[in-house]
Amino acid sequence: EVHLLQSGGGLVQPGGSLRLSCTASGFIFTDYAMTWVRQAPGKRLEWVSAISPFSDFVYYRDSVQGRFTFSRDNSRNIVYLQMHSLRVEDTAVYFCAKNFGPGLAFYDSWGQGTPVTVSA
Amino acid sequence: EIVLTQSPGSLSLSPGERVTLSCKASQTVGRNFLAWYQQKLGQPPRLLIYGVSNRATGIPDRFSGSASGTDFTLTIARLEPDDFAVYYCQHYDDLTPPLTFGGGTKVQMK
Repeated sequence: EVHLLQSGGGLVQPGGSLRLSCTASGFIFTDYAMTWVRQAPGKRLEWVSAISPFSDFVYYRDSVQGRFTFSRDNSRNIVYLQMHSLRVEDTAVYFCAKNFGPGLAFYDSWGQGTPVTVSA
Repeated sequence: EIVLTQSPGSLSLSPGERVTLSCKASQTVGRNFLAWYQQKLGQPPRLLIYGVSNRATGIPDRFSGSASGTDFTLTIARLEPDDFAVYYCQHYDDLTPPLTFGGGTKVQMK
């Protein structure tokens, strides 16, 4: 059974940093791209970043480009989202998600979500 | 960037009713790359449909998807108590952005 267990997140002041982690199990990790999706309170889902199976390709939405870094450790089946220069508008629940395959951007398994609150 | 507009914003229905949810794309969606998700309060989304009409693993056959041009539809044949949730459509392609979700339709109990 596929399982994505998230950790990290919390409350941080504007300009601060946080790191989110997502530990995967139940599938061959290197066969799949991984993605972060976020959801601000009462808002729609918003794609944040994606990484290919061997980190050859990493993509970011414009608003986080240069501030967030998505990485993966294939030896430990973990993905990370390092977030710097956080803004109030980054406040959201962040979900890690397993892509359906190595190169298709829809998601058949999701982590439980971790809240990130950016506030003074 | 493809903009997805879902309608209605919310529905109040009773168990056993047939539900039709709409997702309209602002331009042609290539290769029928459209998915539907169900999200309950406090939970992550759950994949229901991909490729317009393919049910994901474990999804009951009362859920179906269809398309006509840039109009996409998720149908729940007979609403069950477990189906009250928010439903999102998503346009996808390869990993490159932009990747967009619709604004969601909330299906609530009458």
